[in-house]
Amino acid sequence: EAGVTQFPSHSVIEKGQTVTLRCDPISGHDNLYWYRRVMGKEIKFLLHFVKESKQDESGMPNNRFLAERTGGTYSTLKVQPAELEDSGVYFCASSQAWGRTGELFFGEGSRLTVL
Amino acid sequence: DQQVKQNSPSLSVQEGRISILNCDYTNSMFDYFLWYKKYPAEGPTFLISISSIKDKNEDGRFTVFLNKSAKHLSLHIVPSQPGDSAVYFCAAWTGGSQGNLIFGKGTKLSVKP
Repeated sequence: EAGVTQFPSHSVIEKGQTVTLRCDPISGHDNLYWYRRVMGKEIKFLLHFVKESKQDESGMPNNRFLAERTGGTYSTLKVQPAELEDSGVYFCASSQAWGRTGELFFGEGSRLTVL
Repeated sequence: DQQVKQNSPSLSVQEGRISILNCDYTNSMFDYFLWYKKYPAEGPTFLISISSIKDKNEDGRFTVFLNKSAKHLSLHIVPSQPGDSAVYFCAAWTGGSQGNLIFGKGTKLSVKP
């Protein structure tokens, strides 16, 4: 069974440009999460989808970030326009169950470098 | 303010000895904790978890201890192996109607042969 896949694995863009990250969760997982890790810091929650609905987007830094999950399958996270502080590794995770019993399966991450 | 704290950024241990990774949390409402392991260029993978109704959970070489009164948990790896070298993240489930995982900054474990 395929795990969580993320694309691209690494993106280098200039400040002010736009980047779109994609996540394909494990098939059948209704719950999809986006997290971000800035160098040396904690893995920080961004948002949580249940199917196509945003369950919790309290971690989204600002309105330059837009996440979608049309059809409840894959998800995209767009950063527009990108700023230097957006650099980091963006992880996507999925789970079948929601709640403390739902182990999260993470993708390998998309590293974003904003110059 | 960080709610899950891993105060040791790194730990070096000799192969065969015990590795002890520590984690503190501030929110007494947290009642489920997990440890994730992360290799370079990979995503975190689930290692072991513990519910607040327990004070210990064991899985092979890995044991997690929870001290609720001190809001402290620790991960013990015995015996440590070179393949255990990775970054270990402590995480707490926030619970409630919008639950998600809150992670610490991680501790990089190096197990030397």
